[in-house]
Amino acid sequence: DAGITQSPRHKVTETGTPVTLRCHQTENHRYMYWYRQDPGHGLRLIHYSYGVKDTDKGEVSDGYSVSRSKTEDFLLTLESATSSQTSVYFCAIKGTTSGNTIYFGEGSWLTVV
Amino acid sequence: DAKTTQPNSMESNEEEPVHLPCNHSTISGTDYIHWYRQLPSQGPEYVIHGLTSNVNNRMASLAIAEDRKSSTLILHRATLRDAAVYYCILRDVPLGGRDDKIIFGKGTRLHILP
Repeated sequence: DAGITQSPRHKVTETGTPVTLRCHQTENHRYMYWYRQDPGHGLRLIHYSYGVKDTDKGEVSDGYSVSRSKTEDFLLTLESATSSQTSVYFCAIKGTTSGNTIYFGEGSWLTVV
Repeated sequence: DAKTTQPNSMESNEEEPVHLPCNHSTISGTDYIHWYRQLPSQGPEYVIHGLTSNVNNRMASLAIAEDRKSSTLILHRATLRDAAVYYCILRDVPLGGRDDKIIFGKGTRLHILP
């Protein structure tokens, strides 16, 4: 258990509304990641962070922004949600033991109607 | 980033060994080979990793080819609970740099037949 908590776990929102997903970790890890998972696409990297206020884009960053003002929190924001952003979102952290194992949160199910 | 290639899906019978292949022909000398699996409605979880030598743990074994261009995850006796998507990825440990994108891909969906 890497102490990762995602919130909310489930959310239904309307098209055009802003949505923020939170990833919270208790282990003081430097690297944090946001992925989305859709049928037929596997896990796709949205954004990642390598420290406070240091973030970078992943494979599918359009329509998403992130912020990391504290080590323990990595926020993913959909500025204006669209139906194509209906997905399961996973947060992950990179551990510091041999091989830098990756640990995932339990996921946030987002439906945009 | 070095990429991996895995079959989209595989089937195996319960209580038989399963060999899940992964090709990584562009692997670099500092890349670790990691395997993760994702059970239904859960986040992916770590299975095993290795660099050059074969590795064993309580979940599985990892066999790495001598040229490191391929590897095989071995489940010695599959159970129905092993039905999942298995991801093979390469992990380079950056020398303090920031660039550490971790790309997963689609993985192999393993079906276990009772």
